[in-house]
Amino acid sequence: AQTVTQSQPEMSVQEAETVTLSCTYDTSESDYYLFWYKQPPSRQMILVIRQEAYKQQNATENRFSVNFQKAAKSFSLKISDSQLGDAAMYFCAYRHLNSGGSNYKLTFGKGTLLTVNP
Amino acid sequence: KAGVTQTPRYLIKTRGQQVTLSCSPISGHRSVSWYQQTPGQGLQFLFEYFSETQRNKGNFPGRFSGRQFSNSRSEMNVSTLELGDSALYLCASQGGSDTQYFGPGTRLTVL
Repeated sequence: AQTVTQSQPEMSVQEAETVTLSCTYDTSESDYYLFWYKQPPSRQMILVIRQEAYKQQNATENRFSVNFQKAAKSFSLKISDSQLGDAAMYFCAYRHLNSGGSNYKLTFGKGTLLTVNP
Repeated sequence: KAGVTQTPRYLIKTRGQQVTLSCSPISGHRSVSWYQQTPGQGLQFLFEYFSETQRNKGNFPGRFSGRQFSNSRSEMNVSTLELGDSALYLCASQGGSDTQYFGPGTRLTVL
């Protein structure tokens, strides 16, 4: 079974600074997706960024970027120029990519609570 | 496009009762997944429906069930509620982009 581990229960960053959230995962599969979701106090889960394992290039979305190390099974999220609105719980998630696309189950880490200080 | 909608947003029930939660996916999405979120267990997969068929099921007792209608709307039902069923229930829909988009959740409190 796949597992996702987020070793930092809480992190804090100063506004405008950069922070990196860690995620490691365990899988025997070679094709899969990795995601970072953000859950603010409103509890709405919002997609931050997605990475396909077959792509060597790290995904970026504006101020958000990932460092995907497939051999190390590591998938960290870097937030640049942190803003107050970035404060939220961040979840790392894994999804196996099987042929036929019949397995849409997401496996989540326990989350990292990010605080942004003004 | 409108996002994923879930109703009701809040629900209070007592032990032994049953409850039905509803989820309407993004237009055109045929897959609907359900997750339970609790402080202790985190986010856990309940089940996934695609074109009215349950394709995957998580490790939950049979008291948890679901279904999907021809318009892709989905419902989940929990019978004989227990205190431990208190949680945020999240629904997610997926289309062809391989990404799941979540609704705002239904917060269930069991007294």
